Amino acid sequence: QKEVEQDPGPLSVPEGAIVSLNCTYSNSAFQYFMWYRQYSRKGPELLMYTYSSGNKEDGRFTAQVDKSSKYISLFIRDSQPSDSATYLCAMKGGATNKLIFGTGTLLAVQP
Amino acid sequence: EAGVAQSPRYKIIEKRQSVAFWCNPISGHATLYWYQQILGQGPKLLIQFQNNGVVDDSQLPKDRFSAERLKGVDSTLKIQPAKLEDSAVYLCASSLAPSSALGKLFFGSGTQLSVL
Repeated sequence: QKEVEQDPGPLSVPEGAIVSLNCTYSNSAFQYFMWYRQYSRKGPELLMYTYSSGNKEDGRFTAQVDKSSKYISLFIRDSQPSDSATYLCAMKGGATNKLIFGTGTLLAVQP
Repeated sequence: EAGVAQSPRYKIIEKRQSVAFWCNPISGHATLYWYQQILGQGPKLLIQFQNNGVVDDSQLPKDRFSAERLKGVDSTLKIQPAKLEDSAVYLCASSLAPSSALGKLFFGSGTQLSVL
């Protein structure tokens, strides 16, 4: 079993739709949870991060962490074509404290 | 603020040849990482430096991969000899904070390696 599981998509939505991206994980020691956005032929850039459980909102983006279910989500409201990218969840914690990435979900927002 | 610089952007080589990638991190960032991202997968850490010392190289295939960070600034990653399965994007990242904290990673655009 992989430490972090993420649906690879692709996910195609119309402009203005609400997008939900999700990851599950197996390591209960993870404490820091992040979402990176990666445009084609670019490196990942940090979009959101949360510590432990709870919600965090930043503009059109909301990150949620449910540690009891080992499940994290990223919601994008009023999605725009410029949101088209691969979204990678990442998390760290425990003895190694190594950042572990999911496989990424490819999102396409159609104008 | 200048970002993480990597070169070359693309490299095509034949198997068993050698190749080297270069990275210049953001000025002042003590921690430098090399990641391998195979198509359709998330980045996988190969090696992490704190200044010019190695913090974690547990996933580096040491029989063929080597990396160094001279003077705690620039870094090079070398593969010798290359195998077909080394075809991937090699990403360099840097961070200001040490690995024990939530260090925000800044990634370069990567080097896309194709091994034929």
